[in-house]
Amino acid sequence: GENVEQHPSTLSVQEGDSAVIKCTYSDSASNYFPWYKQELGKGPQLIIDIRSNVGEKKDQRIAVTLNKTAKHFSLHITETQPEDSAVYFCGANAGKSTFGDGTTLTVKP
Amino acid sequence: GAVVSQHPSWVICKSGTSVKIECRSLDFQATTMFWYRQFPKQSLMLMATSNEGSKATYEQGVEKDKFLINHASLTLSTLTVTSAHPEDSSFYICSARQSNFGYTFGSGTRLTVV
Repeated sequence: GENVEQHPSTLSVQEGDSAVIKCTYSDSASNYFPWYKQELGKGPQLIIDIRSNVGEKKDQRIAVTLNKTAKHFSLHITETQPEDSAVYFCGANAGKSTFGDGTTLTVKP
Repeated sequence: GAVVSQHPSWVICKSGTSVKIECRSLDFQATTMFWYRQFPKQSLMLMATSNEGSKATYEQGVEKDKFLINHASLTLSTLTVTSAHPEDSSFYICSARQSNFGYTFGSGTRLTVV
């Protein structure tokens, strides 16, 4: 089955700096890669996703890049704000979604 | 956008009792729903895949008689934790698949068994 590894597990940045979270996956059949943001006590919320026929996608301060050959994809958050602080999960979908272990992002004001 | 409603958001029950959690897709039909369990500061662990009109598919290590799943309509799946024990205390989250790619999560249910 699919195996997703996510790094780093924790990330602390200063407000205004950029944050990058990386994930690798094992199943070449995976064709959909979502990123979720989870705030304390709440369910995960989709923030951006990318499909296998696209190399990069951007939505305001958030971007995701995908390298299918290397089987890795990354989340980029620019101009970070304290409200970006949360746990972020990456997913890889080959029929059913498998998730990384999460990255706790802390943005210090 | 797609909305998934999950109820209750939190529940406390006595050991030995059963608890039912509902997951509803509000503005779309979901032939497939997923149930996850999440321990504090850990990732989402897929428990089972719920298919409308058929038996759920459970992941390895998940007791199907303990976690009963019913997906009787295209908008509703339920998870019943039977004879709950303190070790069943956890955060349970459902998700629904709207298309071949899109998944929407519910807001989660915090279960505490005392």
